[in-house]
Amino acid sequence: AQSVAQPEDQVNVAEGNPLTVKCTYSVSGNPYLFWYVQYPNRGLQFLLKYITGDNLVKGSYGFEAEFNKSQTSFHLKKPSALVSDSALYFCAVRDGDYGQNFVFGPGTRLSVLP
Amino acid sequence: DSGVTQTPKHLITATGQRVTLRCSPRSGDLSVYWYQQSLDQGLQFLIQYYNGEERAKGNILERFSAQQFPDLHSELNLSSLELGDSALYFCASSVEVFLDNTEAFFGQGTRLTVV
Repeated sequence: AQSVAQPEDQVNVAEGNPLTVKCTYSVSGNPYLFWYVQYPNRGLQFLLKYITGDNLVKGSYGFEAEFNKSQTSFHLKKPSALVSDSALYFCAVRDGDYGQNFVFGPGTRLSVLP
Repeated sequence: DSGVTQTPKHLITATGQRVTLRCSPRSGDLSVYWYQQSLDQGLQFLIQYYNGEERAKGNILERFSAQQFPDLHSELNLSSLELGDSALYFCASSVEVFLDNTEAFFGQGTRLTVV
């Protein structure tokens, strides 16, 4: 079965500093990986995905993620954090017989401190 | 705004009752997914419909059911409610059925509180 781990419940970073939110995965077959963000009282918003190709994926709001097959990781990064980036971040992997649904990680709460 | 509309936003009901959650997908999206977000279980996939037909089932209880209507809106029915059913229920939609070919857009969710 596909699974995703986010080893950190909470990440704190100062505004302007680089941020990393970690994700590791376990899949059978090729991984199809996603990052979503959830702001308070909002639904999940798509940030980026890795299907194939370059290991560095660029997404929305200045975020990027690095796919590392040997370490089975897909860490989310941003060079300079903003206070407005504070939210709950979910890593997900495609699942199902036809890749029709997500398996989400437990989420990492990011707090960017001014 | 994702374009996915869920109603109601909040729902408070008693144990043993039945409720219906409604989802209108983005215009043009044929696939609808339901997810449950709770503190202890995290985000769990419940069920998916594509163009009116059930395509996949996840961790959906037998007390729960869903359907997608000809106008593509979907309803999630929860019956014999228990305290543990209290959660945020998300609907998502996408154009296609396979997530690697398309992006899924999530609604703002319906917060269900069972008392």
